[in-house]
Amino acid sequence: AQTIHQWPVAEIKAVGSPLSLGCTIKGKSSPNLYWYWQATGGTLQQLFYSITVGQVESVVQLNLSASRPKDDQFILSTEKLLLSHSGFYLCAWSGTGEQYFGPGTRLTVL
Amino acid sequence: QQQVRQSPQSLTVWEGGTTVLTCSYEDSTFNYFPWYQQFPGEGPALLISILSVSDKKEDGRFTTFFNKREKKLSLHIIDSQPGDSATYFCAPNTNTGKLTFGDGTVLTVKP
Repeated sequence: AQTIHQWPVAEIKAVGSPLSLGCTIKGKSSPNLYWYWQATGGTLQQLFYSITVGQVESVVQLNLSASRPKDDQFILSTEKLLLSHSGFYLCAWSGTGEQYFGPGTRLTVL
Repeated sequence: QQQVRQSPQSLTVWEGGTTVLTCSYEDSTFNYFPWYQQFPGEGPALLISILSVSDKKEDGRFTTFFNKREKKLSLHIIDSQPGDSATYFCAPNTNTGKLTFGDGTVLTVKP
């Protein structure tokens, strides 16, 4: 069975500080991977997707970047956080059409 | 431009009742229609999905209906339970990985 793990579970960071969020998928070879952002009480917005190692496509940037250093790993980062980056970050993988989401990382920027 | 609309925004039903959520979209190229269920503090979970070649799919207490002509779909929950209390999102797409989520419907089922 496939499992998706996100780290950290939650972060509290200062405006202007760097950020790195991670996602690992196990049990699925060469998955398509996605990053989403969700404001509190809001909908999900797709940020990035990757179909293979080293390739990342931006959907909505929001002053963030993403990388895929390994087949099973997807990283979301920024060098300078903004207040507007606060929210819930979700990683997802897709099989044959459906997307499956991880548990998410709650980010609070102060 | 709002591509995907969900209604109602929130809904309260009594335990044992029937819940009906609706979703409408504009892009006629959408051909895959998943519904996601999200509990507070958790990632969304795929609940049920339907392809545009079908007009109905059932899974236990959950049924989704699809109307291609009207570009609408609905999610019906029979015998609603307090454990069904969650936010429900539709996310119609063209099966290429680009999901467009609706704003969601917050469902509360009261015992």
